[in-house]
Amino acid sequence: NAGVTQTPKFQVLKTGQSMTLQCAQDMNHEYMSWYRQDPGMGLRLIHYSVGAGITDQGEVPNGYNVSRSTTEDFPLRLLSAAPSQTSVYFCASSSQGVGYTFGSGTRLTVV
Amino acid sequence: GDSVTQMEGPVTLSEEAFLTINCTYTATGYPSLFWYVQYPGEGLQLLLKATKADDKGSNKGFEATYRKETTSFHLEKGSVQVSDSAVYFCAPLYYNQGGKLIFGQGTELSVKP
Repeated sequence: NAGVTQTPKFQVLKTGQSMTLQCAQDMNHEYMSWYRQDPGMGLRLIHYSVGAGITDQGEVPNGYNVSRSTTEDFPLRLLSAAPSQTSVYFCASSSQGVGYTFGSGTRLTVV
Repeated sequence: GDSVTQMEGPVTLSEEAFLTINCTYTATGYPSLFWYVQYPGEGLQLLLKATKADDKGSNKGFEATYRKETTSFHLEKGSVQVSDSAVYFCAPLYYNQGGKLIFGQGTELSVKP
């Protein structure tokens, strides 16, 4: 099992560009979430999903879109990148009672 | 909204000292409770969990007890090692809110030989 796979691991974007951070899990988990981690601020929830076709906003959803067309995939789209979106992004998945398993993260820099 | 408050860091201890990291959470519904650990330059690893009141989670010498009456889940270890140096996150998981897992700000632990 690969667990939770995030791609790419590193990315540099110019302000205004768009991109999609990919997240896939092979554990048949129903719950998936996206977080950003900034120095001194812990992890903040961006969007989360309880299953295919169902998503909800977390603490910091502005500037990000998600969709969940399959159980396995939960891509995060940056619509128009801003320097404030420079961060490390983590995707995670869970099943009831198990707790979330995290991917290794994507380090994004917006210049 | 839901929130979790952790003891502020950094915490600096000598090897073999006793560790406590305090954590309190908002009691919307009945969350499952987790501690995650992040070693330098790495991602997050699940350290321990407790899913109902009075449950004790334990792993690698760390323990935490689900205290519903005080909405707390304090992390303890009797004798820390240099290898325990990391950032520790308390995280309640609200399955009744679509599986929402939220994090405290993290507590950085540094253990000196």
